[in-house]
Order: sequence, then C-alpha cells, then structure tokens
Amino acid sequence: NAGVTQTPKFQVLKTGQSMTLQCAQDMNHNSMYWYRQDPGMGLRLIYYSASEGTTDKGEVPNGYNVSRLNKREFSLRLESAAPSQTSVYFCASSQTGVPYEQYFGPGTRLTVT
Amino acid sequence: AQKITQTQPGMFVQEKEAVTLDCTYDTSDQSYGLFWYKQPSSGEMIFLIYQGSYDEQNATEGRYSLNFQKARKSANLVISASQLGDSAMYFCAMPYWRAGGTSYGKLTFGQGTILTVHP
Repeated sequence: NAGVTQTPKFQVLKTGQSMTLQCAQDMNHNSMYWYRQDPGMGLRLIYYSASEGTTDKGEVPNGYNVSRLNKREFSLRLESAAPSQTSVYFCASSQTGVPYEQYFGPGTRLTVT
Repeated sequence: AQKITQTQPGMFVQEKEAVTLDCTYDTSDQSYGLFWYKQPSSGEMIFLIYQGSYDEQNATEGRYSLNFQKARKSANLVISASQLGDSAMYFCAMPYWRAGGTSYGKLTFGQGTILTVHP
C-alpha cells in the first residue's frame, strides 16, 4: 500500500520555466490538498479538492494551478516559476467529513534560480 | 479566520522525561478540533493525535496526550517518557469547519516547535 506518492522528489527550475508536480493516492480518499512549507514555517495550503471534479483556492494560490485528474490524482502546476516559489511541496489526502487525519506524501523539494 | 500559534521555537528534554509542547488557537467556530503532526528530519509528516472541542476527555495515543483547555484556547501536546526518536519538528494544526459542521479538512498550521531529546 503506497499511500500518497509524489513526483519528482527534487527539481531545480530557472525563473520563468514551468513544471507540474504529480500526486497520487491509493486510499480511495475523496479530498486532496497541496501545501508548501518554507524554511522554519508551518505548512500553508495552496489548493485543495474536496472531491473529484472540484478544486478551490487555499491560503497562497497565486502562481499555481491545479487539476484533479480523477479520484486518485491531483497535480499542481507552476506556469512561470519565480524564486519566491522555492519551497518544499506536500500533497495530502483524507476522507471527507468529520475531520480525518491527512496522509502526506514525502514532499517535493523545488528550487527556482 | 482561524489562527494557530506555537510560541516555543525550540524545546530540549532529557531522555525518559516528559515534555509539553504549547499550542494556542483562535477561532470563531463553535465546533473545532486540533491535530498534532510530527516531522522528523527526513521530512515526512506523521499524524500523532486529534481531539475535537466536543470531546469530553483529553485524547491519548500511546505516549502522546492532548491537554485541551478550551477556556484558555490551548491544546498542548504532552509526550511522556521521551525517546531519542522523538527529536523532530512538531506542528499543531486546526481543520476548517464549514457552517453546518462538515469540515473540508483543510488545515491551518502553527509555526512548529523543534524538539531535541538529549541522551
């Protein structure tokens, strides 16, 4: 049982380049999330998807887009990367409803130069 | 809007002793809850414990317990009998509750506390 998987694990981009972070879960969860974690800080929500076919903005959505491809997969796209987007990105999933714990992927460490 | 504050950037504890990590919150919701997560140096996020404001007794999970004091708006994590493997960053987080009691589940995190366990 893989849980939540993310690819890639590491990425270096130049300013202005684009890329897509992939996330998949095999726990049949309805809800999926993308967070970023900057040094010395807690995680901040970028986008979330309460169920297949729906997405909504979180606390820090600017510069990002998401796609809930199906129930399993939720991708995060940076259209034109900026140095301020250097961060560690976590994908998570959970059941929907009464607060269930979120299961996190291993993270993607992104550096934008 | 809800806010989570962890005022201890770093804490030190001797192996086998207990330690309390502080978390205070601010929310206008009548029902709410608090999660605690652990992040070791390897980077993954590990769920430790959860308690809802409607729970009458403090939650416990093995060596972890939650000291929930609603009047003080605090939900502190107590780790008993600390082990070297407890050295990590610890985050307190609050889920968003939509009106009507159904939570989207999205989390607001505190800044975290780095715990170091000394042998």
